[in-house]
Amino acid sequence: GQNIDQPTEMTATEGAIVQINCTYQTSGFNGLFWYQQHAGEAPTFLSYNVLDGLEEKGRFSSFLSRSKGYSYLLLKELQMKDSASYLCAVVDSNYQLIWGAGTKLIIKP
Amino acid sequence: DGGITQSPKYLFRKEGQNVTLSCEQNLNHDAMYWYRQDPGQGLRLIYYSQIVNDFQKGDIAEGYSVSREKKESFPLTVTSAQKNPTAFYLCATSAPADTGELFFGEGSRLTVL
Repeated sequence: GQNIDQPTEMTATEGAIVQINCTYQTSGFNGLFWYQQHAGEAPTFLSYNVLDGLEEKGRFSSFLSRSKGYSYLLLKELQMKDSASYLCAVVDSNYQLIWGAGTKLIIKP
Repeated sequence: DGGITQSPKYLFRKEGQNVTLSCEQNLNHDAMYWYRQDPGQGLRLIYYSQIVNDFQKGDIAEGYSVSREKKESFPLTVTSAQKNPTAFYLCATSAPADTGELFFGEGSRLTVL
């Protein structure tokens, strides 16, 4: 079967750095997305990786290793507004999105 | 402004009642999707449509129905056959020939009393 694993919950301190991991086992791979979702709101796009390596976008970076079936989202200089769930999703061989359950990130002052 | 509008944002219904959730978009995207989100679970695909007058079942279509009579509209009906309908429902669109990035509406929270 297809599977995406993310930690259920993480806690970090304002101003610090946090890394949210995502491992996947899917039938084929055509890209990986990270979305941010605040409680009760719609997910919003953060990043897309299809090739190995690091993509940097401001305070957020996303890394992909296709050979290891692994990605991480790196958040720097954490702010209270970064408290949210972070969803990892993989595009499989049929171009269908397979979603992880999400990681709830709690930021403490 | 371009975007996706879902309504209502909150909806309560009694058991045995059908309810229809609206999704309208003005992004001119061909593909539209309905997802269900439950606590502790990933998004699950209910139905999707790649083009007007055509739609496909997703992973959890039982107890739901959709129509796609216009490009801009993709309403979802939660029927009385859906055994556990209380959930957060998300409508999304995607542009063709793109990465497959989804654009989401603000969601509709359905509670069955």
